[in-house]
Amino acid sequence: QVQLQESGPGLVKPSQTLSLTCTVSGGSISSGSYYWSWIRQPAGKGLEWIGRIYTSGNTNYNPSLKSRVTISVDTSKNQFSLKLSSVTAADTAVYYCGRYSSGGGFDPWGQGTLVTVSS
Amino acid sequence: QSALTQPASVSGSPGQSITISCTGTSSDVGGYNYVSWYQQHPGKAPKLMIYNVINRPSGVSNRFSGSKSGNTASLTISGLQAEDEAAYYCNSFTTGNTLVFGGGTKLTVL
Repeated sequence: QVQLQESGPGLVKPSQTLSLTCTVSGGSISSGSYYWSWIRQPAGKGLEWIGRIYTSGNTNYNPSLKSRVTISVDTSKNQFSLKLSSVTAADTAVYYCGRYSSGGGFDPWGQGTLVTVSS
Repeated sequence: QSALTQPASVSGSPGQSITISCTGTSSDVGGYNYVSWYQQHPGKAPKLMIYNVINRPSGVSNRFSGSKSGNTASLTISGLQAEDEAAYYCNSFTTGNTLVFGGGTKLTVL
């Protein structure tokens, strides 16, 4: 079955850009009607949807983060990526990648990766 | 966009039933049947429990059920078990082609 795995730096300095990659295994990122998504969760808090990308390249972003977020897809590597610019301590969180379908919700999820913003 | 509204906590005894509400607006929960629910145990990734308001993925116990009335969706867990103790989150598609989560509900099994 399809599995997702996040990767990237665990520590980012304030004002810099956070960059994460999600690698999809067990299936092609291009097959099916799926949106590939990023979600984050600060310690002890709830889930926040960041944005998603369709394999066509169409993207949708959380309005509160839209000015700082870019999500892209690399079908040749079966990966999709997140870039969040001008980060502050408030961006410290566990970042999850997930597959979303209108007919099926978010499933599966990656295991999550902790990103800390600190100098 | 504002987070969907969920109670911060609910509790119940083993064997009992509980219901968690998820209140939004006509622009999200009330406008679409794309409401899903997730269970999250501490330190773990969320797990899909209900999708499209009422549907259960393969492998999810039939003790979990979903419903919707107007702008409020609900997750009901019957026959509570100790393993159900976790945080639960709802999610909905919204106008503007975005998605939004609820604030989360901590379920305690007494």
